[in-house]
Amino acid sequence: ETGVTQTPRHLVMGMTNKKSLKCEQHLGHNAMYWYKQSAKKPLELMFVYSLEERVENNSVPSRFSPECPNSSHLFLHLHTLQPEDSALYLCASSQDSLAPYNEQFFGPGTRLTVL
Amino acid sequence: GNSVTQMEGPVTLSEEAFLTINCTYTATGYPSLFWYVQYPGEGLQLLLKATKADDKGSNKGFEATYRKETTSFHLEKGSVQVSDSAVYFCARMDSSYKLIFGSGTRLLVRP
Repeated sequence: ETGVTQTPRHLVMGMTNKKSLKCEQHLGHNAMYWYKQSAKKPLELMFVYSLEERVENNSVPSRFSPECPNSSHLFLHLHTLQPEDSALYLCASSQDSLAPYNEQFFGPGTRLTVL
Repeated sequence: GNSVTQMEGPVTLSEEAFLTINCTYTATGYPSLFWYVQYPGEGLQLLLKATKADDKGSNKGFEATYRKETTSFHLEKGSVQVSDSAVYFCARMDSSYKLIFGSGTRLLVRP
């Protein structure tokens, strides 16, 4: 595997379910990100991890819970979601989270539908 | 509001037509600017970037020039192909080195 991978690619869940999204980067990067992409809205940065420590939490509801066990893996744990949480969730990584030429490499995303 | 503004799409062109997608930003100072592209079913890929005023980023026939006078970073291509059909995102870096994205512009190129 190369680049940034995400699983699953598609997920349908009920509002009472608990599920997790997984992201893995094979680039040796130190920073990882979760974004939410909704229709006709700009990408919303949700969380940033640098060297496995959370450095950014953009007022995301507590029903989204990130986890970064090591610099290659990032999870997004989901529970009691709402239908408006349906979106494409993108993971990204970069060499460093604090650099002016911070090229981010994105995974293909998980298409989440909350019923 | 969002500090990166892109023209609303979709933009529909015939193959070999000239492309311009407008992007303007608001910021203090001179942030790095980026264009990302998202092909159907895929994540975003960096297309080009410019890190200081008057720089020109270019890649795969696409170009964008960092214009500080007009705070713009318009994307251009002289002759589009069907394979260029995608969503294009303009972005700038904020003072915390995070990317601020525009809302994206969908391009559809017809044969």
